[in-house]
Order: sequence, then structure tokens, then C-alpha cells
Amino acid sequence: DQQVKQNSPSLSVQEGRISILNCDYTNSMFDYFLWYKKYPAEGPTFLISISSIKDKNEDGRFTVFLNKSAKHLSLHIVPSQPGDSAVYFCAADDISNFGNEKLTFGTGTRLTIIP
Amino acid sequence: ETGVTQSPTHLIKTRGQQVTLRCSSQSGHNTVSWYQQALGQGPQFIFQYYREEENGRGNFPPRFSGLQFPNYSSELNVNALELDDSALYLCASSFPGGGMDEQYFGPGTRLTVT
Repeated sequence: DQQVKQNSPSLSVQEGRISILNCDYTNSMFDYFLWYKKYPAEGPTFLISISSIKDKNEDGRFTVFLNKSAKHLSLHIVPSQPGDSAVYFCAADDISNFGNEKLTFGTGTRLTIIP
Repeated sequence: ETGVTQSPTHLIKTRGQQVTLRCSSQSGHNTVSWYQQALGQGPQFIFQYYREEENGRGNFPPRFSGLQFPNYSSELNVNALELDDSALYLCASSFPGGGMDEQYFGPGTRLTVT
């Protein structure tokens, strides 16, 4: 039972354009969402997060949008740069379970930025 | 400040054997979580340790067990290895109240079971 889904295994975007990565979830108890970026031979690194009380969060070139009614979130990267080429994971948490948090990850989207 | 380190980097084991993977937490972190990432999948939560006690467990059988030591380093032990245990094993350290944003992952141990 895949509670967090990333339906696009891969995405190619021209340098300078916008990259949009999508994520859907099924568990209505999830109330905190995170995006991680992973380079080969490295662990995932935290990128940006959003709480369910918000519908948008920005950090520089990265913006995450949350549509709770659709159980959908997206990560926008603009402008895309070659260093953004990596695997991106969407993850979700039920933060009411304080002290016993665990992340539920999607399967990842491999983003390739074409120079 | 040192990051999260894991050893070994790669490991090959035979079905039925036992394996121990190690993780050193980031300085100041007393909580360690372990994840299994199978090929083409996202990381799956195995369990979490806080102050040397198991503090939450995912959908993994009892042959997956762990330890946390007084210095907050941690071990993941897997008994009776199966072919499906082949995966990248990630550990992540954090501190309570730090939020999931403050969870830092190590580079992982690649386990191959033949």
C-alpha cells in the first residue's frame, strides 16, 4: 500500500526553465510534508517542507504547494540549474505522533537538467 | 560538527547469514532512525531508537533488530538474510523537538544478499 506516490519516475527540463515535481498521498493523517534531494552515493538531504496549515512555502528557487483537498503537493524549481539534477523524494509525516515520528517516502523522481 | 556516518559502505552476504550495519549520529543528536531503500523504491522506515530504547517500528519482521549505545551510535542487525533484504540501508539522526526538517541522513550501506 503506497501511501505516498510519485507517478513520474523521471523528468527532463531545460536549464533555466521551471521544473515541477508532483506527489500524491492517500493517508489523511499526514500533516507535514517534506522534499528531499538525493545525489548518487549520498544520503537524502532535506530541501523544503510544508505544514498542512499552509498551502505554499518558498525558499529561494524552491516552492512547495499543497492542495489538501486533492491530497496533492508539488515542488517547483525555478530557474532550474544543472546542479539540480538528482533524485527527488517526497515524504510525509503525522506530526501529532510527537516523539514517534517516521517519514513515509514516495518512490522518487529523477530530475535531469539539460544544459 | 561531524555528519552522519555509516559502515561498511558495501557488503555482500549469503542467504541465511546474519549482518550488522553501523551508524554514527551527528554530534548532539540522540535519536536514530533506520530506513531500507530497495532498488527503485523510496526509503521505508524500519525503526527508531531514542536514548537506547526502540521508539517506533515500521512493518518489518523481528529478524530486523537494533541497538543504540550510550554515545548514541546505533547498529542494525538482520538475521536469516533473504534475497529481498538486498537494499540500501540508511540511518538518520535527529534530536527530539528538532522536527523532521532536522533529520540528517548518512550515505547508506549497500547490502547485497546472494
